[in-house]
Amino acid sequence: DTEVTQTPKHLVMGMTNKKSLKCEQHMGHRAMYWYKQKAKKPPELMFVYSYEKLSINESVPSRFSPECPNSSLLNLHLHALQPEDSALYLCASSHGWTGSEKLFFGSGTQLSVL
Amino acid sequence: QQPVQSPQAVILREGEDAVINCSSSKALYSVHWYRQKHGEAPIFLMILLKGGEQKGHDKISASFNEKKQQSSLYLTASQLSYSGTYFCGTESEFRGAQKLVFGQGTRLTINP
Repeated sequence: DTEVTQTPKHLVMGMTNKKSLKCEQHMGHRAMYWYKQKAKKPPELMFVYSYEKLSINESVPSRFSPECPNSSLLNLHLHALQPEDSALYLCASSHGWTGSEKLFFGSGTQLSVL
Repeated sequence: QQPVQSPQAVILREGEDAVINCSSSKALYSVHWYRQKHGEAPIFLMILLKGGEQKGHDKISASFNEKKQQSSLYLTASQLSYSGTYFCGTESEFRGAQKLVFGQGTRLTINP
């Protein structure tokens, strides 16, 4: 299994809702990532987990809350989002966490905040 | 610091060649290249770590200059399947976890 699976594929939520994005990989990778991608823009790093511990938080607003329950799962909890948070949210994983690691991306969750 | 990619867009006929450049004002720890098709996940192409390094597979190759401030991606005898947006991702230093910053992307269109 060489896939990163993200659910749901599409999500529409109101500004007062609470929702979660899920990401799963079974490649034994020890680093997992959340990226945000606006239309026609590059992916922007949000969070990095190494060995299930948060290693990097790119000054992301607290309305985004990551969680890594185990080495295969990565969640992104969403609460009180703003319309400008609408974007494609990509999860990725890599075998290790050094600068020479190939990233495996999931297909993303397309989020719309109304 | 975001790397600068050029050109922003390229339109080719099938069989033509293309070069995409990725530049940084500082020496880089690594350069990654990814391709993303519309509505799909970015797909890994290659990583370069050493100054002067060149890598390639099939008809896609890349180089990393000696100063490690510029990388180029070469697509030869382009195929329709090469269409998509190409991103370089760079790290200026390793800080205990992989933190890639992507360039703004180069949109490649291959016409029959």
